[in-house]
Amino acid sequence: DAGITQSPRHKVTETGTPVTLRCHQTENHRYMYWYRQDPGHGLRLIHYSYGVKDTDKGEVSDGYSVSRSKTEDFLLTLESATSSQTSVYFCAISRVRNEQFFGPGTRLTVL
Amino acid sequence: GIQVEQSPPDLILQEGANSTLRCNFSDSVNNLQWFHQNPWGQLINLFYIPSGTKQNGRLSATTVATERYSLLYISSSQTTDSGVYFCAVERDAGNMLTFGGGTRLMVKP
Repeated sequence: DAGITQSPRHKVTETGTPVTLRCHQTENHRYMYWYRQDPGHGLRLIHYSYGVKDTDKGEVSDGYSVSRSKTEDFLLTLESATSSQTSVYFCAISRVRNEQFFGPGTRLTVL
Repeated sequence: GIQVEQSPPDLILQEGANSTLRCNFSDSVNNLQWFHQNPWGQLINLFYIPSGTKQNGRLSATTVATERYSLLYISSSQTTDSGVYFCAVERDAGNMLTFGGGTRLMVKP
């Protein structure tokens, strides 16, 4: 498949706690993305990366930060989780011709 | 930003029927993809089709970029085709996809 894994796959946490989600790819692609999926909103881009230490904001970046210290890993951090960040989070990578492939998703619940 | 609208929002079919899903977008694009999200939540790439026509088995897609729409055809539908179909477009070269709201398909045996 696309060689993308996400961890954890499920997480329940409490409001105010920090949370880090990890996306790992095995195929050395330059571009990586974080999306969230919510009912009624489809998928929306949070942040993306176009290389090691090169990141930029997407449509819904408030409350999130990212880091990419290695080509294969892209981390999404919620510094202080809120209930509005309960969602399903998808990581994606971009191969040639801008086509994106998605990981299996992480279901996050903030109580 | 670019607007992406999909129709119909919901579709129920009997197994074996054909269907057409539509995606309209508000600006010129250099990337258009169709995805299937299965009942387990996995997003599966169907087509990368910024223009022209492609076919893959029972599925085919056509994008008319000048008129800003794309169509996904499903023939001889099967219960495993159930799920949500998303169209997503990228306007600029920044590789950021904007998704439509999806078409939820249920195929009954």
